[in-house]
Amino acid sequence: RKEVEQDPGPFNVPEGATVAFNCTYSNSASQSFFWYRQDCRKEPKLLMSVYSSGNEDGRFTAQLNRASQYISLLIRDSKLSDSATYLCVVNGEDSSYKLIFGSGTRLLVRP
Amino acid sequence: GAVVSQHPSWVICKSGTSVKIECRSLDFQATTMFWYRQFPKQSLMLMATSNEGSKATYEQGVEKDKFLINHASLTLSTLTVTSAHPEDSSFYICSARTSGLRRGEQYFGPGTRLTVT
Repeated sequence: RKEVEQDPGPFNVPEGATVAFNCTYSNSASQSFFWYRQDCRKEPKLLMSVYSSGNEDGRFTAQLNRASQYISLLIRDSKLSDSATYLCVVNGEDSSYKLIFGSGTRLLVRP
Repeated sequence: GAVVSQHPSWVICKSGTSVKIECRSLDFQATTMFWYRQFPKQSLMLMATSNEGSKATYEQGVEKDKFLINHASLTLSTLTVTSAHPEDSSFYICSARTSGLRRGEQYFGPGTRLTVT
């Protein structure tokens, strides 16, 4: 079983749509959670951290359910520029600051 | 924001040769640097973690004699792929941490695309 699992997609949605991505992680001792965005052939960039209470940054809302070991990302009012691969990322339980990446969910926003 | 550079951005080499990739933190001191590899349509896989002045810690399955990592200063880490083979062709990305970042946050370099012919 992969440590971080995501639906690879692609999710093909029209501009303005709301889309949600889910992610599950296997290590219950994981401490920190993030969503990164990666454009084709580019490095990943931090989109947002995910807090236990849920957090929002503009059109993006992230939620964490520790009991179910489940993380979600909601994008409202999708823009063409949101087209990218969204990576669910978990920090391990040890002190090495290692990041464990999911394989990503691809989003295509069409006009 | 903090900037991490990598050089070269892409390289093509012949099988059997060695390739060195540099990772630099441009405006901060990187206490820890990480090296990742990403194959097409796959996730980033951590290869090794390096702290300045000490030996790198390699992930399981990564050959330390093939992927030599040197972290000689707080702003520079290098990855040398020795005796490269076509199966080493991949996107190599470094990242760096500095104090003050939230646990798990890293600054990523733009990546180096290696093609071995």
